[in-house]
Amino acid sequence: GAGVSQSPRYKVTKRGQDVALRCDPISGHVSLYWYRQALGQGPEFLTYFNYEAQQDKSGLPNDRFSAERPEGSISTLTIQRTEQRDSAMYRCASSLGTDNEQFFGPGTRLTVL
Amino acid sequence: QKEVEQNSGPLSVPEGAIASLNCTYSDRGSQSFFWYRQYSGKSPELIMFIYSNGDKEDGRFTAQLNKASQYVSLLIRDSQPSDSATYLCAVNVNYGQNFVFGPGTRLSVLP
Repeated sequence: GAGVSQSPRYKVTKRGQDVALRCDPISGHVSLYWYRQALGQGPEFLTYFNYEAQQDKSGLPNDRFSAERPEGSISTLTIQRTEQRDSAMYRCASSLGTDNEQFFGPGTRLTVL
Repeated sequence: QKEVEQNSGPLSVPEGAIASLNCTYSDRGSQSFFWYRQYSGKSPELIMFIYSNGDKEDGRFTAQLNKASQYVSLLIRDSQPSDSATYLCAVNVNYGQNFVFGPGTRLSVLP
């Protein structure tokens, strides 16, 4: 079946604009994770959901970042008033449960000019 | 202190040798441990997971866990150039609340 998909794959935006990054997990996967990965670093946890409930958002850097998964499937990570320091690869992963293998999507490369 | 630590490398080994990748973690309550491989420009993909102390073998890969020492390692036997990648150690902390990834170790297998 299809893996985790993310859109857009690349996003270039101007400082101050809002962006919305989409993740479509593997069908039937309960848990969905958002990470940010800088070049040469491991993924940095941002937030995760079980079904539609946001279980942990402790990794979100500040209140400009938010995420939702209203129907327990597709999730959106929104960054308001983007700043240059927000430029990074944003990765989504899904799993059957919280202690299961996570399958990663291809990521969205965000560049804030 | 970072929660999950790895040597950044690069670790270079000749083809056919054993590559040993190490990871230490700080949270004694961590329950499960994962090794991911990430090729340049690609997404991480799972190689192995381990929950119990001791060794777990899967083909050319062996994961070793020592909870008392808070140490997990990955051995790659008969290393191949195609094994050249960054290897990420991930630890499931807070009883499933979130995963913490290490910075990764870059492995280079020389033909």
